[in-house]
Amino acid sequence: KQEVTQIPAALSVPEGENLVLNCSFTDSAIYNLQWFRQDPGKGLTSLLLIQSSQREQTSGRLNASLDKSSGRSTLYIAASQPGDSATYLCAPDSGSARQLTFGSGTQLTVLP
Amino acid sequence: DAMVIQNPRYQVTQFGKPVTLSCSQTLNHNVMYWYQQKSSQAPKLLFHYYDKDFNNEADTPDNFQSRRPNTSFCFLDIRSPGLGDAAMYLCATSRDREVYEQYFGPGTRLTVT
Repeated sequence: KQEVTQIPAALSVPEGENLVLNCSFTDSAIYNLQWFRQDPGKGLTSLLLIQSSQREQTSGRLNASLDKSSGRSTLYIAASQPGDSATYLCAPDSGSARQLTFGSGTQLTVLP
Repeated sequence: DAMVIQNPRYQVTQFGKPVTLSCSQTLNHNVMYWYQQKSSQAPKLLFHYYDKDFNNEADTPDNFQSRRPNTSFCFLDIRSPGLGDAAMYLCATSRDREVYEQYFGPGTRLTVT
């Protein structure tokens, strides 16, 4: 059974800092890994999807890397802004049913 | 804009009173998912439809059922809500099982009194 851990659980940084969010998963036999953003009381917004054959994926100020063999992914956010404040969730896709398993997320606060 | 829509956004029901949550999508995706997310926890998959093929997760309580009358709509029925069923319910879609990226709706916050 896939288990996903995200560290840290919460992070507070001043505006403009670069930061890294970490995700680890126990079953390395994944097809893809998706990073999401969730604002309080809202649904999930897909940020990036990395296929298992890829090492990284970029979108604007976001860069996600994947090391499938070691069961790790990182989300790098450059030049953070207060609008980046949200909970960030990672979810590898694994198993015969192609199920997403979510971590509990990292709650990010970017201070103006 | 193509999107995943959930109604209502907020639902209050009484203990034991059946409730139905609705999800619709304009993406014409084959797969629709229902997740339950309790406060400060990760979303947990309840079940999904691949076209008309229903797939229930092993640990989803029997109290939860789903219907997909057509490609665009999917419903979550909670037959006898308990206090422990209070949560955010998230609907998601993906084009198919191989092209995998999931797109989520805004969620329905269910309160059980």
